[in-house]
Amino acid sequence: QVQLQESGPGLVKASQTLSLTCTVSGASINSDDHYWNWIRQTAGKGLEWIGRIYSNGATTYNPSLKSRVTISLDASKNQFSLSLSSLTAADTAVYYCARLFSGYEVSFVYYFDHWGQGALVTVSP
Amino acid sequence: QTVVTQEPSLSVSPGGTVTLTCGLSSGSVSTVKYPSWYQQTPGQPPRTIIYNINIRSSGVPDRFSGSILGNKAALTITGAQANDEAHYYCVLYMGRGISVFGGGTRLTVL
Repeated sequence: QVQLQESGPGLVKASQTLSLTCTVSGASINSDDHYWNWIRQTAGKGLEWIGRIYSNGATTYNPSLKSRVTISLDASKNQFSLSLSSLTAADTAVYYCARLFSGYEVSFVYYFDHWGQGALVTVSP
Repeated sequence: QTVVTQEPSLSVSPGGTVTLTCGLSSGSVSTVKYPSWYQQTPGQPPRTIIYNINIRSSGVPDRFSGSILGNKAALTITGAQANDEAHYYCVLYMGRGISVFGGGTRLTVL
């Protein structure tokens, strides 16, 4: 059973850098068919895709956040991480890690198939 | 930047049928956008409902179906139940590895 679990500080000061880690169990982060993503949700609002990483370390970021985001992975620990710099109150959100399946079932498919439970991060003044 | 559009809120009577749509501020939704749908209830992470337009995720009841209607992706719930009350989000693939979420539809069953 694939499980993803976010971890990291729940409170971070404005202007500082947020660091979160997602630990994957039941699947290998080295999988050819999957990308590992960060997604956030601000209070009362919708979901925002932050970015993703592949097993070879290749990353893609949301253009609106690209200047502040770094996603990395540690295959030896089966983990991937998010770093978001220059925080403001607008970055207060629940941060989810999620696996995206990009591969073949009967035909080629592309969708988020597993999600973590989410981690609330509050940015304080 | 292209925006993914969804109805902010919809309501349906128990046993009724409702269709949620997912469009683009510019252009049409087609197979190459790989539209997918996610259901979220309060305090829970999103749950995959539909992917690749019309493939139901494992364990999703067949009252949920997906399609393309005109230039939008659509999620139809036939025979709505009280526990279908939730937020529903669509996601579109924009190319170059970028995914964009719609703003979500709050579905009320009453």
